Amino acid sequence: GAVVSQHPSRVICKSGTSVKIECRSLDFQATTMFWYRQFPKQSLMLMATSNEGSKATYEQGVEKDKFLINHASLTLSTLTVTSAHPEDSSFYICSALWGLGQETQYFGPGTRLLVL
Amino acid sequence: GENVEQHPSTLSVQEGDSAVIKCTYSDSASNYFPWYKQELGKRPQLIIDIRSNVGEKKDQRIAVTLNKTAKHFSLHITETQPEDSAVYFCAASSGTSYGKLTFGQGTILTVHP
Repeated sequence: GAVVSQHPSRVICKSGTSVKIECRSLDFQATTMFWYRQFPKQSLMLMATSNEGSKATYEQGVEKDKFLINHASLTLSTLTVTSAHPEDSSFYICSALWGLGQETQYFGPGTRLLVL
Repeated sequence: GENVEQHPSTLSVQEGDSAVIKCTYSDSASNYFPWYKQELGKRPQLIIDIRSNVGEKKDQRIAVTLNKTAKHFSLHITETQPEDSAVYFCAASSGTSYGKLTFGQGTILTVHP
């Protein structure tokens, strides 16, 4: 149980375009999901907390108008990188909280974004 | 907010030896401390976790200890194997935002055959 999928696994886009990344909890409902960014050889940096049916909570320094998060159902959260630039190239990973009252996060496989 | 420091950044051991990774945290309200293993290009995978009402937890070759007073916790891997080679991250829960984790900087563990 507690399987999280992410799509696409990798994407290459031109500078200025928008990219949407989907995060799904496959065998459980997740009212809360998290979006992280990970640069090479670095730790996971939390970008935002995605709550089903409400606005996402962004970490300090993360532009909410650039990284649009939508959590429209209990099994799906999406991250849209708008007007992507080369510096947005990174490994984006989502996670979902499993279980009521639990704090265990299960991670998706990640999406490698390359902006040319 | 929470701050998690992890040491060492790299750790090299011989197969069969033990490996220890240590983390300290700043928020005394943190009460959940998971450890994740991440192989290159893959997702972080939970390997063990501990809650603040417990001092030690063991799962086969892996154990975690927690010292709430000193605000530090450690991962212990015994009888290391080459397949244990990966990056290990510790994390601490937020005392204020439910479910939110702050991660340490990571430790690159290399187990030499």
